[in-house]
Amino acid sequence: KAGVTQTPRYLIKTRGQQVTLSCSPISGHRSVSWYQQTPGQGLQFLFEYFSETQRNKGNFPGRFSGRQFSNSRSEMNVSTLELGDSALYLCASSLVGDGYTFGSGTRLTVV
Amino acid sequence: SQQGEEDPQALSIQEGENATMNCSYKTSINNLQWYRQNSGRGLVHLILIRSNEREKHSGRLRVTLDTSKKSSSLLITASRAADTASYFCATGAGGGNKLTFGTGTQLKVEL
Repeated sequence: KAGVTQTPRYLIKTRGQQVTLSCSPISGHRSVSWYQQTPGQGLQFLFEYFSETQRNKGNFPGRFSGRQFSNSRSEMNVSTLELGDSALYLCASSLVGDGYTFGSGTRLTVV
Repeated sequence: SQQGEEDPQALSIQEGENATMNCSYKTSINNLQWYRQNSGRGLVHLILIRSNEREKHSGRLRVTLDTSKKSSSLLITASRAADTASYFCATGAGGGNKLTFGTGTQLKVEL
């Protein structure tokens, strides 16, 4: 079966711009979560969506937002990019109470 | 923020030897999961152990969970060079699918 697909794989943006990242979960998985990974802070939870509703949210500023569509595909948006937003952004999908399947991630560089 | 710590931070062993990684966490959990990550790519789910379980096996992997000590260990037996990666524990608690990751152990298996 197809895995979790994240696009784009790499992205370079300038400070102040905004960016949208996309995630297509495994078919049948209704839970989609996003994580940010940096060398300094490690893996940090951004948010989780289930059936188009945000079910959990991490401790990130309001510049970070997301949404989920009726086909379970999800997008996350970061507005007014800062240098510190440079990171690997990982999307994961799962069945409730099961382990995650992660995508390969989007590496965002803010210059 | 990280749920807890993993130790050691780095581990170097010879092929064929066993590798043991430990994870400590801070709050009550529903489950604890272990993931592997190769070179900053997506994470691969290895094993999930629920809070009412004490030990679980999957192939060359053995996971233990001690909820009274809020700790878990991952044992990889007969390590191979292909096991070289970073290993993360992650805890699930409360509702939804939010995971809180540990700091990770970098394992290097040398030929």
